[in-house]
Amino acid sequence: SAVISQKPSRDICQRGTSLTIQCQVDSQVTMMFWYRQQPGQSLTLIATANQGSEATYESGFVIDKFPISRPNLTFSTLTVSNMSPEDSSIYLCSVEDQTGDVYEQYFGPGTRLTVT
Amino acid sequence: QKEVEQNSGPLSVPEGAIASLNCTYSDRGSQSFFWYRQYSGKSPELIMSIYSNGDKEDGRFTAQLNKASQYVSLLIRDSQPSDSATYLCAVSGSWGKLQFGAGTQVVVTP
Repeated sequence: SAVISQKPSRDICQRGTSLTIQCQVDSQVTMMFWYRQQPGQSLTLIATANQGSEATYESGFVIDKFPISRPNLTFSTLTVSNMSPEDSSIYLCSVEDQTGDVYEQYFGPGTRLTVT
Repeated sequence: QKEVEQNSGPLSVPEGAIASLNCTYSDRGSQSFFWYRQYSGKSPELIMSIYSNGDKEDGRFTAQLNKASQYVSLLIRDSQPSDSATYLCAVSGSWGKLQFGAGTQVVVTP
């Protein structure tokens, strides 16, 4: 499976600021996804990021708050804008790996964000 | 609202016993089903995927799928303390999007 890295691994940010999270993959992938995992909760999909097109956001998530870039097939960024303490979460990118007819998603190590 | 339901646990399992985890889903159109293991402070790790009705075995893990009952399960045989983690059931909808259950915490006791 693909090797996925994320930067930063963790950060503590002040209310009202923005943080950009980077996701790097060691191979070209078509589908990349961004998830949020709030404390003690499961994963919630924020958006799907495909190269060459705008990201597709899930209900409850908007581009102004979570702008996403996907400049090529190995890299994506998620920005958390105008942060509030409610944005304190783990943010995870994932990639879809295809082997024949099998599609599986693998996750990066995550970015632990604390907003004070 | 499409949902994936799991018992939150914790599920306490003696070392060497079988852990049985259950998951139900509401979207009848779902085609792909996954089990992820997540250790505390770590990201989810894919341990099993299943696409057809029946059983799929991989080492000590067996996934079972029943699409008619909208039910998928995971069995962990010969449970070890290293199996103590939260197990997330995920169901794939359109365009590869995964919907996750809340997760079941498994605690294997020596």
